[in-house]
Order: sequence, then structure tokens, then C-alpha cells
Amino acid sequence: AQRVTQPEKLLSVFKGAPVELKCNYSYSGSPELFWYVQYSRQRLQLLLRHISRESIKGFTADLNKGETSFHLKKPFAQEEDSAMYYCALSGRMTTDSWGKFQFGAGTQVVVTP
Amino acid sequence: DTGVSQDPRHKITKRGQNVTFRCDPISEHNRLYWYRQTLGQGPEFLTYFQNEAQLEKSRLLSDRFSAERPKGSFSTLEIQRTEQGDSAMYLCASSISREGSQFPTGELFFGEGSRLTVL
Repeated sequence: AQRVTQPEKLLSVFKGAPVELKCNYSYSGSPELFWYVQYSRQRLQLLLRHISRESIKGFTADLNKGETSFHLKKPFAQEEDSAMYYCALSGRMTTDSWGKFQFGAGTQVVVTP
Repeated sequence: DTGVSQDPRHKITKRGQNVTFRCDPISEHNRLYWYRQTLGQGPEFLTYFQNEAQLEKSRLLSDRFSAERPKGSFSTLEIQRTEQGDSAMYLCASSISREGSQFPTGELFFGEGSRLTVL
């Protein structure tokens, strides 16, 4: 079964403080992991994906297959980071075929000045 | 706007009525997804298409729900005999699936959603 768990519903941090959003997954095959973000009154959009190994808006995420985790981190939170963050997983169906996206329940991040 | 569009944006209906939502994906995208989102929850997978083929349906998709993508372009999601528990935001997303490439799973582009309220 494919499952994504985000244990924190709400994270409240001060501006300039580090922030870490936890994501754990369950998938028996080879998954691809993503973080999606939804700012107030905007559509869900991709923040980053583990394959690209990029840092986007100061955020990074490392896939830890041993711990089946894909935590999102930023060393210094900014007020504009306040948003809803969703971890998502897409599983490999066959050698060349990838399947559906499964989302976690989301973590609301509130950055206060 | 060349993004994913959904129609209608809001729908209020009485219990027992049928409703239909339409999604127009980004034109070159071969995959199209439907999700349902209720308050405080992440998007829950309902079904997805690759071109016109419906590849998977969630157990959440009861017999009252049907989705089509007849020509591999726009899609419709119909709910028959609506119930109050169907009240939710219905999200559509599209992507390009590039099998065999470095990034086989294309980024999902979401629409703004269709909010259903069943009275």
C-alpha cells in the first residue's frame, strides 16, 4: 500500500528560525517524492522533488530510504513561507511507468515576525 | 490563461441531485487526475487517466461517481444522487508522463478546484 504521513498539522515558527516539516512514507517499490505548497488563495504548486536535488526558496529535502522519510527543511524561515505544505509520493508501476500521486494530510506553517 | 481550468468553481445542490464537473488540462498533458479535498485533509486520490484510458480508480470512488476523458483532452467527473458527505473541493490536475526519461513523473499542475456543497 502507498501511504504518506505528515505528523504535524501545524508548525508555528519565528522569522529567522529553522523549520523542518516531517514526511514519512510507505511504499514497497521505488518511489518518487515531492513537496507541494499552497499559499493563501493560490493553487497547489510544486515546491521541489527529490530527484532534482534542488534547493527551492531556500528549502531542501533529502530522501532517506532507510528511514522512509523525506523531511523538508529551511534554515531561516521567512514570513512569505507561511503556507500549507503537502508531501506527495508517486510509485513506479513498471520499469518505465509511474503511477498515481498520493498526498499527505498537510502541514500548515505559520511564520511570525 | 493556459493553466488547468475547472468549471464550475462553485456548485450548491440538493441531496439526490446529479452534478457534473469539467476539467480542461494543459493542452499537451497526457495525464489527468481527479482529487477530492475536505477541510483539514490533503488531496485524496480519486482517479487518473493517461490519454483517454482510466488507469486507476480509488475505492473512494463509489458507483455514484464516474469520470471520463473521451478524447484524451478534457475530463468530466459526474456524481449521481449526491449525498451530504460528497461536499468537498474537487481538484483536477494534469501532467506529462515521460516514460524512460530522467524525470518520468511530470509535475502536477492543479486547477483552482470545484467546490461542491450538498444541502
